[in-house]
Amino acid sequence: DIVMTQSPFSLAVSEGEMVTINCKSSQSLLSSGNQKNYLAWYQQKPGQSPKLLIYYASTRQSGVPDRFIGSGSGTDFTLTISDVQAEDLADYYCLQHYSSPYTFGAGTKLELK
Amino acid sequence: QVQLKESGPGLVQPSQTLSLTCTVSGFSLTSYNVHWVRQPPGKGLEWMGRMRYNGDTSYNSALKSRLSISRDTSKNQVFLKMNSLQTDDTGTYYCTSLTTLFDYWGQGVMVTVSS
Repeated sequence: DIVMTQSPFSLAVSEGEMVTINCKSSQSLLSSGNQKNYLAWYQQKPGQSPKLLIYYASTRQSGVPDRFIGSGSGTDFTLTISDVQAEDLADYYCLQHYSSPYTFGAGTKLELK
Repeated sequence: QVQLKESGPGLVQPSQTLSLTCTVSGFSLTSYNVHWVRQPPGKGLEWMGRMRYNGDTSYNSALKSRLSISRDTSKNQVFLKMNSLQTDDTGTYYCTSLTTLFDYWGQGVMVTVSS
């Protein structure tokens, strides 16, 4: 099984700051067939279902603000949130869907400083 | 529009079997996969397993021995059955399409394992 190591566990930020969340996979998530990384980022707010932010490591889902930026390839991935807004305070998860069984990272809680 | 809705008992006794149903609308189970994801209170997301569009299934390695996912395409339903429940199986259970460019989630159903 592919292990997803996500860090940090929590982040305390002020509005307007930039934050980065990291995810490292135990195997490459890059498909040799289509050169796509099968890594997604989800946001979950309290009491809500997860919401897809980024897919293929760097493609923003429709409607997601451009302050959310996904990057990385192979085994190392980053979610950057520039100019954090109060509405961004939530939990964030990476997910590998390169191979079954799929696996999530442990999650990062973004809190207000 | 696309919808997924989980249903099932809110309370299950330890050692018993959990049975959940995911009823979908707006798409065909023979065209898209359906996954189950769960979340213990205050903890992270755990992928449990999936029903592929072609009827194949795959499971989380840690749950494989006690988990079964099946479907009834005529009723647009996917079923989860998990036996030998323990208190650490308490949590919210979601069904989701979890597919690039087709990512939809149900609202989740809270399951408590307690006597």
